[in-house]
Amino acid sequence: GAGVSQSPSNKVTEKGKDVELRCDPISGHTALYWYRQSLGQGLEFLIYFQGNSAPDKSGLPSDRFSAERTGGSVSTLTIQRTQQEDSAVYLCASSFQVGGQGSSYEQYFGPGTRLTVT
Amino acid sequence: GDSVTQMEGPVTLSEEAFLTINCTYTATGYPSLFWYVQYPGEGLQLLLKATKADDKGSNKGFEATYRKETTSFHLEKGSVQVSDSAVYFCALSDPGNYQLIWGAGTKLIIKP
Repeated sequence: GAGVSQSPSNKVTEKGKDVELRCDPISGHTALYWYRQSLGQGLEFLIYFQGNSAPDKSGLPSDRFSAERTGGSVSTLTIQRTQQEDSAVYLCASSFQVGGQGSSYEQYFGPGTRLTVT
Repeated sequence: GDSVTQMEGPVTLSEEAFLTINCTYTATGYPSLFWYVQYPGEGLQLLLKATKADDKGSNKGFEATYRKETTSFHLEKGSVQVSDSAVYFCALSDPGNYQLIWGAGTKLIIKP
């Protein structure tokens, strides 16, 4: 079936503008994650959704960052008043969670959105 | 808290060389362990996983064994190819915990 998709694949924006990044997870996956990957760096966790709710927003770097998920499917990450330090690749992942001991929440990633703030 | 430590890169090898990328972890429970790979310009892909001690995950010629006694999950391949050039990430998840704990990634460069 279709994998995780993200749009746009590339986004160049001027400092101070708002941007919206979209993630369409694998059908049936209840969990959705946003990460940020700066050049040559590892993954920085931003936010996690279970269904439409976000029990963990601890990774959002500032109040300029927000995210929502509707219908338990598509998610949008919004960055307001972008700054140059926001330039990075934003990765979305989804997983089908089954609970209990021994569960492994393997995550399936989209190709990412490369954001450049000029 | 839980953590994952990988060997620093870049790791540069010649084609057909033997590969080891070290990964060690600390965890309070009995985590599942993963290796993800990120090819240039692409998103992350799950390479292999192991869910309990002594399990061996394998895929595309890569292997990793879950060693509880040494808290390690080293990635190995007997003969690397240029196409294996990528960044490799080790990660763990605790049972019932949604979040993956990630290593910093190891860049692998294979020269013909």
